Amino acid sequence: ETGVTQSPTHLIKTRGQQVTLRCSSQSGHNTVSWYQQALGQGPQFIFQYYREEENGRGNFPPRFSGLQFPNYSSELNVNALELDDSALYLCASSLGGQGKNYEQYFGPGTRLTVT
Amino acid sequence: AQRVTQPEKLLSVFKGAPVELKCNYSYSGSPELFWYVQYSRQRLQLLLRHISRESIKGFTADLNKGETSFHLKKPFAQEEDSAMYYCALRGLGGSNYKLTFGKGTLLTVNP
Repeated sequence: ETGVTQSPTHLIKTRGQQVTLRCSSQSGHNTVSWYQQALGQGPQFIFQYYREEENGRGNFPPRFSGLQFPNYSSELNVNALELDDSALYLCASSLGGQGKNYEQYFGPGTRLTVT
Repeated sequence: AQRVTQPEKLLSVFKGAPVELKCNYSYSGSPELFWYVQYSRQRLQLLLRHISRESIKGFTADLNKGETSFHLKKPFAQEEDSAMYYCALRGLGGSNYKLTFGKGTLLTVNP
């Protein structure tokens, strides 16, 4: 069984640029959630994708967007980067379904630094 | 609104001493509570959830709805328990997908 993987591990971007982060879900999982973890804070929910559709969204502006692919891998896109976007971005996969919420398995994260 | 409060940013105990990591929550419906742990250089992983009522690595946590608390306890701390601990909340039910985390407590168990 392959765990959740994320790429890249680290990256540095300049304010105003755009970034794409990638996540491969654990084998058999159809749901991916994205979280932002700023330094010294707990993870904060960005959004979730279930079977290629956005299933819910946290309090993040529209410049944070996502995709889920037929193989259930996912991308997080952030446009017009701001300095406050510097954080660890976590992806978590789970098996979802109508009325069901299973354990979320987290990836190692992508450390984004915006200068 | 969902909110999780972990009042202690840092907690330091000696090996063999009891440990309690505090967690209080705010949620209007029926909550599902979790403790996640992150060991040094490892990814965030689930430690326990109140629904399963399990004891994992000697840790237990009881949901107290009256006090809206879900404190994590272990009677005898071990050095390998040193880690970052996060309390998290999710609403029960299929439409409640969002995990809300506290800011975490860094536990250090000294020899």
